[in-house]
Amino acid sequence: KAGVTQTPRYLIKTRGQQVTLSCSPISGHRSVSWYQQTPGQGLQFLFEYFSETQRNKGNFPGRFSGRQFSNSRSEMNVSTLELGDSALYLCASSLPSGEVGETQYFGPGTRLLVL
Amino acid sequence: AQSVTQLDSQVPVFEEAPVELRCNYSSSVSVYLFWYVQYPNQGLQLLLKYLSGSTLVKGINGFEAEFNKSQTSFHLRKPSVHISDTAEYFCAVSEKTSYDKVIFGPGTSLSVIP
Repeated sequence: KAGVTQTPRYLIKTRGQQVTLSCSPISGHRSVSWYQQTPGQGLQFLFEYFSETQRNKGNFPGRFSGRQFSNSRSEMNVSTLELGDSALYLCASSLPSGEVGETQYFGPGTRLLVL
Repeated sequence: AQSVTQLDSQVPVFEEAPVELRCNYSSSVSVYLFWYVQYPNQGLQLLLKYLSGSTLVKGINGFEAEFNKSQTSFHLRKPSVHISDTAEYFCAVSEKTSYDKVIFGPGTSLSVIP
């Protein structure tokens, strides 16, 4: 099976712009989670989707949003970019049952640089 | 609210020596515990996880961890490290009632010295 894929891998934007990142989970996985990784804050949970519904949300401002499609692919959007949004954004998918504690499989991430 | 502490931000160790990476957590409810590894410029890979049952958990690449409920710890160990173990290691917890909301520790950078 192909792993979790994320596109694009690298992105450069300027302050005030918006950006959309895409994540394709492992075939058959229905849960997709997003994380932000920065040197200062480490890995922080953004949100998690299961069967097109947001089940969990971290402590991020409303500029960060996401959605999941019927094929389980997920997108996250960041509007009005700030310099502090520069980070590695990781997507993870987990097994079809969506039960707590199941293994999450991570993609390689999208590295976003905001200038 | 949950939190995860990894006391050592950097751990240098000689090749073939044993290593222990420490992890402590706090939570008001029962949790699941995980260790992930991140190699440079890559995503995270699960090393092992504790859900229930035996408190000694064996993972990939020769790693193991022991869950200690009274000390709220989940330390990671390997009896003999290799150069290829050089990476960032993250301890993480998720509450048993919180679907896939995983809280990560700050990470420990393991450097294996030849």
